[in-house]
Amino acid sequence: GAGVSQTPSNKVTEKGKYVELRCDPISGHTALYWYRQSLGQGPEFLIYFQGTGAADDSGLPNDRFFAVRPEGSVSTLKIQRTERGDSAVYLCASSFAGGHSYEQYFGPGTRLTVT
Amino acid sequence: AQSVAQPEDQVNVAEGNPLTVKCTYSVSGNPYLFWYVQYPNRGLQFLLKYITGDNLVKGSYGFEAEFNKSQTSFHLKKPSALVSDSALYFCAVRDVSYSGAGSYQLTFGKGTKLSVIP
Repeated sequence: GAGVSQTPSNKVTEKGKYVELRCDPISGHTALYWYRQSLGQGPEFLIYFQGTGAADDSGLPNDRFFAVRPEGSVSTLKIQRTERGDSAVYLCASSFAGGHSYEQYFGPGTRLTVT
Repeated sequence: AQSVAQPEDQVNVAEGNPLTVKCTYSVSGNPYLFWYVQYPNRGLQFLLKYITGDNLVKGSYGFEAEFNKSQTSFHLKKPSALVSDSALYFCAVRDVSYSGAGSYQLTFGKGTKLSVIP
C-alpha cells in the first residue's frame, strides 16, 4: 500500500517568510509525528498527534513553529518568520496508536532551505 | 531523559564479511529499541525492533540485533554484508516506564555510515 507522503519534496524560501509543509500518513494510522533532521544528525522529535489533537509538542523549538491535523489524517507543519537555522529536512512519520511497541513509518521528507 | 550513542561515524566492511554497527542507550524506565536505515534522498526505513522477550531479534534484509541489558547496548549485525547494504543506519530508543506509560517520541543516535567494499 501507499506509504507516508510529504509535499513539497524541496522548499526554498527567504528569511522571514512563512512556510507550510504537508504530510499524508498511511491510511489507518492514527498517530502522526514530525521530526527535524539537520545535516549529519539523527532526526529530532518535534510533535506527536493522536487523532486530531497534539498529544506531545515538547519538541517544538519555539512559538514560530505550529502544526495542525484538523481531521485526524493530513497534517501541516507551519513555520512563521523563517530563519536560516530552520534549514533542515523535515520528516513525518505515522504509526498505529495505542501502544509504545508500534514502529513508526517515515516519509521521504521535505528539505527546507532558508536563504 | 533518554539518549542514544552510536560511537562510530563510519564502518567499512568487505563484501561477504560479517558487519556490526554499535548502539548504546540510556533510559530511566524500560527501553524499546529500533533500527532504521536511510538511503540517499530517501526516508528512514524500519529494520527491526526489540520490545521484550528474546534478546536476539531478526529483521528485514537478513539483519539482526542483540539486546544486552547489562551493557545497555543494541548492536546491529549481519552475517554476510552486501554492497547494497551501504547506507546510513540509525538506532533509536523509546523510554517506557515500568507501568507502561511513557513518551511516544523516538530519540535517535547521530547515525553510522556503513560502506561495504566489493
